[in-house]
Amino acid sequence: GESVGLHLPTLSVQEGDNSIINCAYSNSASDYFIWYKQESGKGPQFIIDIRSNMDKRQGQRVTVLLNKTVKHLSLQIAATQPGDSAVYFCAENKGNQGGKLIFGQGTELSVKP
Amino acid sequence: DAGITQSPRHKVTETGTPVTLRCHQTENHRYMYWYRQDPGHGLRLIHYSYGVKDTDKGEVSDGYSVSRSKTEDFLLTLESATSSQTSVYFCAISSTGRNEQYFGPGTRLTVT
Repeated sequence: GESVGLHLPTLSVQEGDNSIINCAYSNSASDYFIWYKQESGKGPQFIIDIRSNMDKRQGQRVTVLLNKTVKHLSLQIAATQPGDSAVYFCAENKGNQGGKLIFGQGTELSVKP
Repeated sequence: DAGITQSPRHKVTETGTPVTLRCHQTENHRYMYWYRQDPGHGLRLIHYSYGVKDTDKGEVSDGYSVSRSKTEDFLLTLESATSSQTSVYFCAISSTGRNEQYFGPGTRLTVT
């Protein structure tokens, strides 16, 4: 069936290290992917997106990699900081009208000082 | 932050009562969405709108209705609230429906 899932529910990293959060998707028709960050008590915050015609996209301290062959998406955070502690969600858009997104369950990132 | 507000931010209501949540945007975006977020289920789409008076169902629309009479406002109504509708509700907006969605701060609804 169609699903967007995450490999790990929690991830703990040392401050200053790089973090990698993974996401698997099953719908090969998906053409747009987004990563969101959600801090406790707040709404999801857009981090970065990537379209299916790209393999990699970089932002400020973040990089998203898309491997369409194995239907895998990852978010890399460089030099992780305490402020990066949050739940991270990946979401996919199957190219349908209306931009409906399917969200994964989320990975909680904890940064140790 | 994108200009999105939700009201009320917190509400406690009794089973069987009607409840309306409001989402207001100042970005003039065409698309608006209502999601609910529950532990173990992530974010799930309830309804969305692709223009004034144009709405469609999401994956968990049973028990909910929506209305959009103005570009800036999208209302979510629970006609007769049930305990299973206790959740955190988020509104989101998108300019084209083919790009990122921006989320509001959420409404925490408790149905007793």
